[in-house]
Amino acid sequence: NAGVTQTPKFRILKIGQSMTLQCTQDMNHNYMYWYRQDPGMGLKLIYYSVGAGITDKGEVPNGYNVSRSTTEDFPLRLELAAPSQTSVYFCASIQQGRGNQPQHFGDGTRLSIL
Amino acid sequence: DAKTTQPTSMDCAEGRAANLPCNHSTISGNEYVYWYRQIHSQGPQYIIHGLKNNETNEMASLIITEDRKSSTLILPHATLRDTAVYYCIVREAAGNKLTFGGGTRVLVKP
Repeated sequence: NAGVTQTPKFRILKIGQSMTLQCTQDMNHNYMYWYRQDPGMGLKLIYYSVGAGITDKGEVPNGYNVSRSTTEDFPLRLELAAPSQTSVYFCASIQQGRGNQPQHFGDGTRLSIL
Repeated sequence: DAKTTQPTSMDCAEGRAANLPCNHSTISGNEYVYWYRQIHSQGPQYIIHGLKNNETNEMASLIITEDRKSSTLILPHATLRDTAVYYCIVREAAGNKLTFGGGTRVLVKP
């Protein structure tokens, strides 16, 4: 099993550019999450989804958009990149409804906005 | 806001047990205690979780106090590869989100 796969691993953007961070999981998990982690800090929740077609805001959603058209994929879009969005982005998934399952995390996308 | 309090950092000698404390004094009856670690900016790795009883797996042991207001993660024989940031998190079994605090930066020294 690949688990949670994020692409790209690294990216440099110019201010004002847009891009989509990809996340896919092959565990048939219903819940998926996007977090960002600034240097030396813990993870902050951006958006999450409880199933295909359903998304909701987390703690720091401004400047981002998400969609969940399939169970497997949960892309995160930056429309107008700003320096404050320089961070490491982690995607995670979990199968809710099967007891106390832990979240599975991807290896992250390191994004720099210059 | 994070519901847990952890020391910022701690050192541990290689081969010795590492005891990582966590306070969660506002934990509610249906919230579990989860531990994750993050090695050198990789994705967080699940370690262990528990509700009331002490738990043990191949990675660690989790000791939860009787009043559930605090817990301790024990790495029985720390190795250099255990150097990481360790996060203690409380979450409902049916909860949607994990809230990460600052974690404890553990440095295992030879």
